[in-house]
Amino acid sequence: EVQLVQSGAEVKKPGESLKISCKGSGYSFSNYWIGWVRQMPGKGLEWMGVIYPGDSDTRFSPSFQGQVTISADKSISTAYLQWSSLKASDTAMYYCARGNHYFDYWGQGTLVTVSS
Amino acid sequence: QSVLTQPPSVSGAPGQRVTISCTGSSSNIGAGYDVHWYQQLPGTAPKLLIYGNSNRPSGVPDRFSGSKSGTSASLAITGLQAEDEAEYYCQSKDSSLTGSVFGGGTKLTVL
Repeated sequence: EVQLVQSGAEVKKPGESLKISCKGSGYSFSNYWIGWVRQMPGKGLEWMGVIYPGDSDTRFSPSFQGQVTISADKSISTAYLQWSSLKASDTAMYYCARGNHYFDYWGQGTLVTVSS
Repeated sequence: QSVLTQPPSVSGAPGQRVTISCTGSSSNIGAGYDVHWYQQLPGTAPKLLIYGNSNRPSGVPDRFSGSKSGTSASLAITGLQAEDEAEYYCQSKDSSLTGSVFGGGTKLTVL
């Protein structure tokens, strides 16, 4: 059974750094793209970017390029989404999902709250 | 404002048929890129409903169907059920972007 399990909710202060994770199981992690999707409170889905764990090829939406880092460690079947300096506007639910053109399996989401 | 436009809301009575539109342009749907649809039940992660314009993943009832024509796509739901009440999103690639984009979402209310 394909599963994506994300790390738990985070509460951070503006300016702090954060790295959240997404662990895949039940399939060959290296051979499928993993994407990240943001959903701000009460808002729609936003495509952030994707990574191919096999070679770490990464693509970003222009809206998120330079704002976050996407990485993966294929040895432990885990993808990451990272911020170096959080802003209040980063408060959102973040989903990881398998795929590139479309997402066929989704993680349960990680709620990130940034507040002073 | 997304490059894929969906109506904010649609509604229908149980048993009825509803459609949700997704209007794009010559740089996305009209360029030949596939359209995919997701269902997001309240408080849960999105779920893939339709991929490649009209294909249903295993386990998705055949009450759900997708189509595409020109610069638009549609999701149709027949035999509406209370459990279909959710937010629905379309997704496609856009040639002006390095990746994909989602529509703004449509809230389906079952009356």
